[in-house]
Amino acid sequence: ETGVTQSPTHLIKTRGQQVTLRCSSQSGHNTVSWYQQALGQGPQFIFQYYREEENGRGNFPPRFSGLQFPNYSSELNVNALELDDSALYLCASSLWIRSLIPYEQYFGPGTRLTVT
Amino acid sequence: AQKVTQAQTEISVVEKEDVTLDCVYETRDTTYYLFWYKQPPSGELVFLIRRNSFDEQNEISGRYSWNFQKSTSSFNFTITASQVVDSAVYFCAPAPWNSGNTPLVFGKGTRLSVIA
Repeated sequence: ETGVTQSPTHLIKTRGQQVTLRCSSQSGHNTVSWYQQALGQGPQFIFQYYREEENGRGNFPPRFSGLQFPNYSSELNVNALELDDSALYLCASSLWIRSLIPYEQYFGPGTRLTVT
Repeated sequence: AQKVTQAQTEISVVEKEDVTLDCVYETRDTTYYLFWYKQPPSGELVFLIRRNSFDEQNEISGRYSWNFQKSTSSFNFTITASQVVDSAVYFCAPAPWNSGNTPLVFGKGTRLSVIA
């Protein structure tokens, strides 16, 4: 069973540029969530995709957007990068079978984005 | 309003000591779940356990044990005979019992340093 993978590992961008981060979910999982983790903080929820549709969004501006593909892999796109976007971006996958009980999420190693 | 508190920002212990990490979840809900995750220096969040609030029995897994006290809404995590590899940031994340596929809300984490 393959775990959650993310690419790239590290990325350096300039303010104003655009970036795309990628995530491959764990085999058999149908939900992907993206989190932003600033240095010294806990992860903050950006958005979630369930079966290719956005299924919830945190307090992030519209320049943060995403996609989920039929194989349940996902992309996070950030436009007009700002210095404060520098963080570790974590992708988590889970299998949700329409139960009320919250399921554990499995995280990838993250992409460390630096905006200069 | 619901609030998760990990009051210990940093803990430092000598190898082989026992250490307990605290997590308090303030909520009016009587039933909920709590997740614990470990984040080693590599950055990947590792799922440790999911427990529910109506089961106050201790759970033990190897050197790890979890104790839930409903009267104080605290869900403590104890590492017995700590090892250097236990050095990491530990996060607790509560979830309402019926939150289904909703994202995790993490505490600020406790940084544990185990010194050889």
